[in-house]
Amino acid sequence: GNSVTQMEGPVTLSEEAFLTINCTYTATGYPSLFWYVQYPGEGLQLLLKATKADDKGSNKGFEATYRKETTSFHLEKGSVQVSDSAVYFCALSDKYGGATNKLIFGTGTLLAVQP
Amino acid sequence: DAGVIQSPRHEVTEMGQEVTLRCKPISGHDYLFWYRQTMMRGLELLIYFNNNVPIDDSGMPEDRFSAKMPNASFSTLKIQPSEPRDSAVYFCASSDRTGTMNTEAFFGQGTRLTVV
Repeated sequence: GNSVTQMEGPVTLSEEAFLTINCTYTATGYPSLFWYVQYPGEGLQLLLKATKADDKGSNKGFEATYRKETTSFHLEKGSVQVSDSAVYFCALSDKYGGATNKLIFGTGTLLAVQP
Repeated sequence: DAGVIQSPRHEVTEMGQEVTLRCKPISGHDYLFWYRQTMMRGLELLIYFNNNVPIDDSGMPEDRFSAKMPNASFSTLKIQPSEPRDSAVYFCASSDRTGTMNTEAFFGQGTRLTVV
């Protein structure tokens, strides 16, 4: 079935360091891909998305490119801040028996940024 | 719009008691999802609805769990009887489609359930 695999955390970085969180997926068809972020004590918020191959999603300095050839959607940021500390989830939308918005999530990666 | 609203935010109950979690989706969204988040299993989809109709409940762990959506603006997730292993954060989310494009899901702040 469809699935998402992302790197295990925690990822600990110093402020202004470069961030990469790897995400690969398995899917039939052409799913949409998402990165969600969860700050402590809160629900998940959409960070960015890409709906077709070679699309680049970006928001708040984060970027991810939909790579169909490598089935990947890695999250990157050039210079992280302490306020970026959160759990990051990679997800894909699963088309099942027709149109659906069902999301399949990875296990989440905890990012801790130290001043 | 106030976003997806869940209640209560926190629930502590004794084993064997009935627990009801509530969700109000974003107005106009026709998909509603219930997720459970634990350290061990991560984020699991329990059930989702389209136009108030349950589409896929394969993630519901046991018959003790049930979910309803009596109208477009309200859904409940019920656990009866509750057990300590049901302790988790339960999220409700809603979304919409524009033509054939999948839109993102909007999450509530979750209900932290503790069963003692």
